[in-house]
Amino acid sequence: SSELTQDPAVSVALGQTVRITCQGESLRSHYASWYQQKPGQAPVHVMYGKNNRPSGIPDRFSGSWSGNTASLTITGAQAEDEADYYCNSRDSSDNRVLFGGGTKLTVL
Amino acid sequence: QVQLQQWGAGLLKPSETLSLTCAVYGESFSDFYWNWIRQPPGKGLEWIGEINHSGNTNYNPSFKSRVTISVDTSKNHFSLKLTSVIDADSAVYYCARGMVARPKSWFDPWGQGTLVIVSS
Repeated sequence: SSELTQDPAVSVALGQTVRITCQGESLRSHYASWYQQKPGQAPVHVMYGKNNRPSGIPDRFSGSWSGNTASLTITGAQAEDEADYYCNSRDSSDNRVLFGGGTKLTVL
Repeated sequence: QVQLQQWGAGLLKPSETLSLTCAVYGESFSDFYWNWIRQPPGKGLEWIGEINHSGNTNYNPSFKSRVTISVDTSKNHFSLKLTSVIDADSAVYYCARGMVARPKSWFDPWGQGTLVIVSS
């Protein structure tokens, strides 16, 4: 229950839809949040809860959740969406914060 | 709008103590958790620990024997100390505001990051 697993890399054609997934037992009791990180920059929060976007995040970003899997979907991917994406949750047993290993998204 | 600005020594020798501070602008310390997260070069994010305005802490067990996070509410600062650093502690260290509203939680905003290099 102490790990979050992400695919290391995903690619998507410009304008198409891509789903980035995060799996872990902690997700059965605690929603994931998602962060976008571009090279040399601090992470930016893009999704939290079941499907909540922080202010300023485009509505092409959406979230979903089922069982032990959380997903971040980008509908109509843009070149500026190319980045690393990290999921995050909390272990309900010891309140430890967990991060996934990150997914490198390439927009072709 | 909340902003976090962090600073601290960027070059350490093995066995020294890493010390970083994060200033919070535009927000009080109440109702939030104040976190330290690091990222080794080319690798993913690793949570170090958090503190709330009352000084209650929660640490990653991987660091528990070496880490201290403290808060100075009078200055709106919180700080990280990591003792006995080794090469593997080289990383970009971020401070971040954490919100916990179970079953949701998130980090927003983040500080700009501080690159810390441990080298003899």
